[in-house]
Amino acid sequence: DTEVTQTPKHLVMGMTNKKSLKCEQHMGHRAMYWYKQKAKKPPELMFVYSYEKLSINESVPSRFSPECPNSSLLNLHLHALQPEDSALYLCASSQDGHGNQPQHFGDGTRLSIL
Amino acid sequence: GENVEQHPSTLSVQEGDSAVIKCTYSDSASNYFPWYKQELGKRPQLIIDIRSNVGEKKDQRIAVTLNKTAKHFSLHITETQPEDSAVYFCAAIFNAGGTSYGKLTFGQGTILTVHP
Repeated sequence: DTEVTQTPKHLVMGMTNKKSLKCEQHMGHRAMYWYKQKAKKPPELMFVYSYEKLSINESVPSRFSPECPNSSLLNLHLHALQPEDSALYLCASSQDGHGNQPQHFGDGTRLSIL
Repeated sequence: GENVEQHPSTLSVQEGDSAVIKCTYSDSASNYFPWYKQELGKRPQLIIDIRSNVGEKKDQRIAVTLNKTAKHFSLHITETQPEDSAVYFCAAIFNAGGTSYGKLTFGQGTILTVHP
């Protein structure tokens, strides 16, 4: 059983659509992460939130907009995506943002851009 | 920037054999090294991790060793079983200038196949 919950599990959207991915954890973790994973590749870090503040943005295009409403929730707002953005989007959380704590992943949202 | 090299890219063993996957990292300040197992269509699952103040850690059939001087670490799986078949990723945390970050950099992955 995963303790990091992501919704939706699958998402198909057109390039002009606006959608959001959601992530929730109730482990009391204070750091949350978004990763992008293409097929047969490792996860690539996109954003890190530590204590609800954005601490790392890995030069992600502005068509991806993260939001951390509170310590348990993390959203990723999507707008005007490109076909190459089709991938598995993984959320993770860790105890804090100090970098040497285990990161636990959710099941991901499989995103397809038409 | 941080770089993690992982070898081999594929590994095929017979059930009961041992499997070893090796990784090297570039940042000498890295101090945390997790290993993840990812089955097809599933999330990466943390299976073991090691911090830089420890040279070896073992959990049942799985062990990890760390050589800080050489900047490499390895995953050892003994008595392999078909259910061990998956993609295994090593990773290292990047820390810069005393400021801690949660930036986890992954190796390219090893596809492990255990034949019955």
